[in-house]
Amino acid sequence: EAGVAQSPRYKIIEKRQSVAFWCNPISGHATLYWYQQILGQGPKLLIQFQNNGVVDDSQLPKDRFSAERLKGVDSTLKIQPAKLEDSAVYLCASSFGTLQETQYFGPGTRLLVL
Amino acid sequence: KNQVEQSPQSLIILEGKNCTLQCNYTVSPFSNLRWYKQDTGRGPVSLTIMTFSENTKSNGRYTATLDADTKQSSLHITASQLSDSASYICVVSWGGATNKLIFGTGTLLAVQP
Repeated sequence: EAGVAQSPRYKIIEKRQSVAFWCNPISGHATLYWYQQILGQGPKLLIQFQNNGVVDDSQLPKDRFSAERLKGVDSTLKIQPAKLEDSAVYLCASSFGTLQETQYFGPGTRLLVL
Repeated sequence: KNQVEQSPQSLIILEGKNCTLQCNYTVSPFSNLRWYKQDTGRGPVSLTIMTFSENTKSNGRYTATLDADTKQSSLHITASQLSDSASYICVVSWGGATNKLIFGTGTLLAVQP
């Protein structure tokens, strides 16, 4: 079974630039999550989708971050404009449902903002 | 405030030795507790999951325990191997109806030959 795919794996940009990350969840998984993991910390949920609808985006900095899952499968996370403190690993995870389901994580995209 | 705290922050052990990692949580309402292993540069991978009524769960050389009364969990690694070197993250699910997760900051384990 293929896992959660993410691209790119690494990205280096300058502050105030824009960047986008892509995630392809495990086939059949209705729920998709984006996490931000700052070095030395545990992942922090940014947004959760159920199919193509948003379930939770309470910790998403909406002035600069946006995410979409238009067809209920792939998802993109965008940062515009980026700040130095956005340097982190952005993890995508998926699960079959939302009730007590194990989340399967992708390898992450490591972002460095200079 | 819902929190998950782990100790120690980091640990170095020799190959073949055992070790125990600790997790304390203040999460309500509690749904379940997971231990994840995160290798450097990779996403977390689930090791065990325990609900309120489960005291212990094993996965090969990994054994997790849960004391729901004291809100403590431990992960015991037996006969450590070099490949066990990773960050181990305790994750507590709360809220019941939705899979909201609270992550600990992890314990960084280094197994030396």
